[in-house]
Amino acid sequence: GAGVSQSPSNKVTEKGKDVELRCDPISGHTALYWYRQSLGQGLEFLIYFQGNSAPDKSGLPSDRFSAERTGGSVSTLTIQRTQQEDSAVYLCASSKSWGGGTDTQYFGPGTRLTVL
Amino acid sequence: AQTVTQSQPEMSVQEAETVTLSCTYDTSENNYYLFWYKQPPSRQMILVIRQEAYKQQNATENRFSVNFQKAAKSFSLKISDSQLGDTAMYFCAFMKKLVLARRDDKIIFGKGTRLHILP
Repeated sequence: GAGVSQSPSNKVTEKGKDVELRCDPISGHTALYWYRQSLGQGLEFLIYFQGNSAPDKSGLPSDRFSAERTGGSVSTLTIQRTQQEDSAVYLCASSKSWGGGTDTQYFGPGTRLTVL
Repeated sequence: AQTVTQSQPEMSVQEAETVTLSCTYDTSENNYYLFWYKQPPSRQMILVIRQEAYKQQNATENRFSVNFQKAAKSFSLKISDSQLGDTAMYFCAFMKKLVLARRDDKIIFGKGTRLHILP
């Protein structure tokens, strides 16, 4: 597609439920990133993928958070047993590989997660 | 560790005026990139401008320009002839230049400046 897409755009869930957030990167971009943006805050790095592997998981806030990427394209961020503090906008970005020459990350519109 | 600081949480200017958003950063790296991203109410993060640290010339994109002071670790954004559509959150961001043998391109963002352009 022309840009990074994310779904759903908004998600309201009850505390304790699991949620899945989806990111579809720009075609041809091998690097994919997940960030969290809490109200009034900047962006907090969560995880990134180079192809299907995630060399840096240091940003995941707890073991309730996991992410996978299959086929070097779509990625899913899963939050298990959601808590109210998980409420935030989750942003996905993608960039070309190093061989592509550009390091700029292009962002999707985000998923606003509200945990009641 | 790298840090990015935006000291102005919120600013307002009249349409057509020029406004400058401040950003300072801290790093021991010599090769890196700096970015300004815009996030309008639609939430879509849009790259406004980027600067490569090894380039002395300040980057410009139409009405947007930066004042990059490497020694001072300062990277301010100037918006000329501001327009109502410039109303948004603006984030300054830092990223180490990639090392071929090891990929470590995490972007570090500031907390943002909320800019209001008044009619």
